[in-house]
Amino acid sequence: DGGITQSPKYLFRKEGQNVTLSCEQNLNHDAMYWYRQDPGQGLRLIYYSQIVNDFQKGDIAEGYSVSREKKESFPLTVTSAQKNPTAFYLCASSMRPRGAYGYTFGSGTRLTVV
Amino acid sequence: AQTVTQSQPEMSVQEAETVTLSCTYDTSESDYYLFWYKQPPSRQMILVIRQEAYKQQNATENRFSVNFQKAAKSFSLKISDSQLGDAAMYFCAPDGFGNEKLTFGTGTRLTIIP
Repeated sequence: DGGITQSPKYLFRKEGQNVTLSCEQNLNHDAMYWYRQDPGQGLRLIYYSQIVNDFQKGDIAEGYSVSREKKESFPLTVTSAQKNPTAFYLCASSMRPRGAYGYTFGSGTRLTVV
Repeated sequence: AQTVTQSQPEMSVQEAETVTLSCTYDTSESDYYLFWYKQPPSRQMILVIRQEAYKQQNATENRFSVNFQKAAKSFSLKISDSQLGDAAMYFCAPDGFGNEKLTFGTGTRLTIIP
C-alpha cells in the first residue's frame, strides 16, 4: 500500500547532538513537507520541497536542515542550534497542485531532549 | 499571508448528537481549497473533508459536512450522529494555488460523551 513512513517513532537526543528524522513516501508525490507540533498549538511549517534538489524555508526553519536528493525521501536534521527541539514532528506529501488533493501525513516522530 | 482562527479550543457532544466546529480564515487568494483534518490520539493526521472555494455547494462526506461562507471567510465543520471514534483534535486548513504553505489553525479538541 502507498503511504508515508516516518522513523523512528520515538527519538531521544542529548544536548549538543544532531539527529536526523527519516521520511519516505511511495506515493510518487512531488512535494514534501516537515511540520512541528507543540502542545496546544497547531502545525508549524519547518521546510518544504516541491521538486528534487530544491527546498524552501518555512516559518520556523532556524536550527533545522533538510535535503531532497530523491523524490521519495525528505530527511530532517535537528541541529544543536535548535534550542528547544522537544516536539512532535510530522512529515507530509502532496501531488501538485496541492489544493486539489490536500496532504498525506506520516505517523510522526516524537523527539525528546534528555 | 494566510491566517486561520479556530475559536473553540475544546468542544464536547453527546454520542449520536450533532456538533459544529467553527473556523474563520483570511487569505489574499481568490481561488483556493479548504480542508478539515482530524488527529485522533494516535496522532495520525487524517483528511476529513475538503471544499473548493469556487463551488457554492457545501461539501459532504457521510456524517461530515461543511458550511462554507466565502464572503464571511467562514468554514465550519458539522458532525452528525457523533460516534466515540470521532473524538480527536480537528484542524482547519486553507490552501491556495500559488501559496506554498498550507496554514493550520490551532485546533479544536472534540470529546464525545457516551
